[in-house]
Amino acid sequence: DTGVSQDPRHKITKRGQNVTFRCDPISEHNRLYWYRQTLGQGPEFLTYFQNEAQLEKSRLLSDRFSAERPKGSFSTLEIQRTEQGDSAMYLCASSSGTDYPYEQYFGPGTRLTVT
Amino acid sequence: AQSVTQPDIHITVSEGASLELRCNYSYGATPYLFWYVQSPGQGLQLLLKYFSGDTLVQGIKGFEAEFKRSQSSFNLRKPSVHWSDAAEYFCAVGAWDTGRRALTFGSGTRLQVQP
Repeated sequence: DTGVSQDPRHKITKRGQNVTFRCDPISEHNRLYWYRQTLGQGPEFLTYFQNEAQLEKSRLLSDRFSAERPKGSFSTLEIQRTEQGDSAMYLCASSSGTDYPYEQYFGPGTRLTVT
Repeated sequence: AQSVTQPDIHITVSEGASLELRCNYSYGATPYLFWYVQSPGQGLQLLLKYFSGDTLVQGIKGFEAEFKRSQSSFNLRKPSVHWSDAAEYFCAVGAWDTGRRALTFGSGTRLQVQP
């Protein structure tokens, strides 16, 4: 068990550029979650996958955001046409489908800065 | 919709002193409650969780929490704080009964430990 990993750990981009983040869940975890955390706040839910199916999306996930989990393994979160308000820590978590009620294990996060 | 309130934004305690961090939740059905800790630049680590049964739950690092349904509270306690406990603490609730899998987090309490 190597834990949830995220790449990159830090990303600085200019407004209007596209960025993509990757999350590798704990092996054999079939559930994967994305959260966003801004300074001084708790994480806010963005989206949830069970295997490759995206089952839940927050209203925070605007049209500029898209997430995928091909083959039910790693996941990517893409932000198009970044805005300064997108600056935040993006956290990924995973959980097993068998250990109800699905304790979530978090990765170290990707810190995005939009200049 | 469920919500979590952590009334204390910042708490300072002396090393060796006892600690209590407050958490109040709002949810109509049986809540699934969690406490996470986040050190600077790190992801979230689960301290403890409550699903049912004994209302006093033990966690890692000497932490415990008590679920009080009548007060809608799930306060975190530690009898003797260590300098390494300085971090940000988040309370979270899961509304599993609704079919949602997202966690709803409070805004966090930052703990400072004085020598």
